[in-house]
Amino acid sequence: DTGVSQNPRHKITKRGQNVTFRCDPISEHNRLYWYRQTLGQGPEFLTYFQNEAQLEKSRLLSDRFSAERPKGSFSTLEIQRTEQGDSAMYLCASSLSATGDIQYFGAGTRLSVL
Amino acid sequence: DAKTTQPPSMDCAEGRAANLPCNHSTISGNEYVYWYRQIHSQGPQYIIHGLKNNETNEMASLIITEDRKSSTLILPHATLRDTAVYYCIVRNSNSGYALNFGKGTSLLVTP
Repeated sequence: DTGVSQNPRHKITKRGQNVTFRCDPISEHNRLYWYRQTLGQGPEFLTYFQNEAQLEKSRLLSDRFSAERPKGSFSTLEIQRTEQGDSAMYLCASSLSATGDIQYFGAGTRLSVL
Repeated sequence: DAKTTQPPSMDCAEGRAANLPCNHSTISGNEYVYWYRQIHSQGPQYIIHGLKNNETNEMASLIITEDRKSSTLILPHATLRDTAVYYCIVRNSNSGYALNFGKGTSLLVTP
């Protein structure tokens, strides 16, 4: 069990560019979550997958955001035409529905939009 | 999910017990109380959860009142490494829904 892995750890981009983050969940975890955290606030839910199906999306997930989990394993979160307001920590978590759905988090990807 | 209320900050001396309170007066019968913590620059870490009975694991104890309207997380012997933001979250265990973190309690453990 190597834990939830997120890459890259840090990303600096210019406004208007597209960025993509990757999350590798704990092996055999069937649920995967994306959260966003800004300075001084708790993490806020963005979207949730059960296996490869995206079952829930927050209203925070604007049209510029898209997430995929193509084979029910790793997931990607893409932000198109980044804005300064997208600067935040993006956290990924995974869980196994059979064991109380305890979510285990990665260390996050910190995005800075200049 | 029910809303929770936590004090914004608390202090605790190293080696003493840290008791972190949480109010969740609107909790419903099938909702669990979860506690997570987030050490600076890290992702949140699961601590413990419970439904109505008190729970204990290697990290902490969770005391839930009989009416389930409030709970206390106890770190029995706080260390400097326990300095973190602690989040009390109420949710249905197997719904697959998000964790609603709120702002949590910032615990500072001092030497």
